[in-house]
Amino acid sequence: EVQLVQSGAEVKKPGESLKISCKGSGYSFTSYWIGWVRQMPGKGLEWMGIIYPGDSDTRYSPSFQGQVTISADKSISTAYLQWSSLKASDTAMYYCARLADDILTGANWFDPWGQGTLVTVSS
Amino acid sequence: SYELTQPPSVSVSPGQTARITCSGDALPKQYAYWYQQKPGQAPVLVIYKDSERPSGIPERFSGSSSGTTVTLTISGVQAEDEADYYCQSADSSGTYFHVVFGGGTKLTVL
Repeated sequence: EVQLVQSGAEVKKPGESLKISCKGSGYSFTSYWIGWVRQMPGKGLEWMGIIYPGDSDTRYSPSFQGQVTISADKSISTAYLQWSSLKASDTAMYYCARLADDILTGANWFDPWGQGTLVTVSS
Repeated sequence: SYELTQPPSVSVSPGQTARITCSGDALPKQYAYWYQQKPGQAPVLVIYKDSERPSGIPERFSGSSSGTTVTLTISGVQAEDEADYYCQSADSSGTYFHVVFGGGTKLTVL
């Protein structure tokens, strides 16, 4: 079974750093892109970026470029999302998801999703 | 970048048909995908490539596309279908990659 398991909830203060994780299993972790998606409280889904664990090639949404860093350690099948200085506005649920693709048609979709990591930033 | 527009809410009675639309100028050139998100849960893919249904998704879920609008149809709605539904599209070319989600539609089963 393809599965993505994310790290647990975090409570941080503004200005602190944070790195959350997403561990894949049940498939070849280095052969699929992994994406990160933000969901602020009571709001919709926002795409943040993707990484290809095979070579760490990374693409960011313009809205999140420079705000977060996406990385991966293929030796332990884990992708990461990190902040160097958190803000209260970073309070949200963060999901990782495997990017499925159809090479012939160029189609891209997210399946499956991790269970989510709730990040709360408050003084 | 482009946008995907969904109605904020749709309401139907059990057993009726629910139709949730998603509009965007890029949709004639790009596939659309649909996700179901129940309260406190992660999103789940219910339709991919406009009208394909993943294994394990009930047959009452279907998708269609016409011009700049794609539609998620749930036939014979059940109480368990009450959830938020999001459409998504993606644009990739060479090193360029961008994903857009619609704002989401809350389906209420009356």
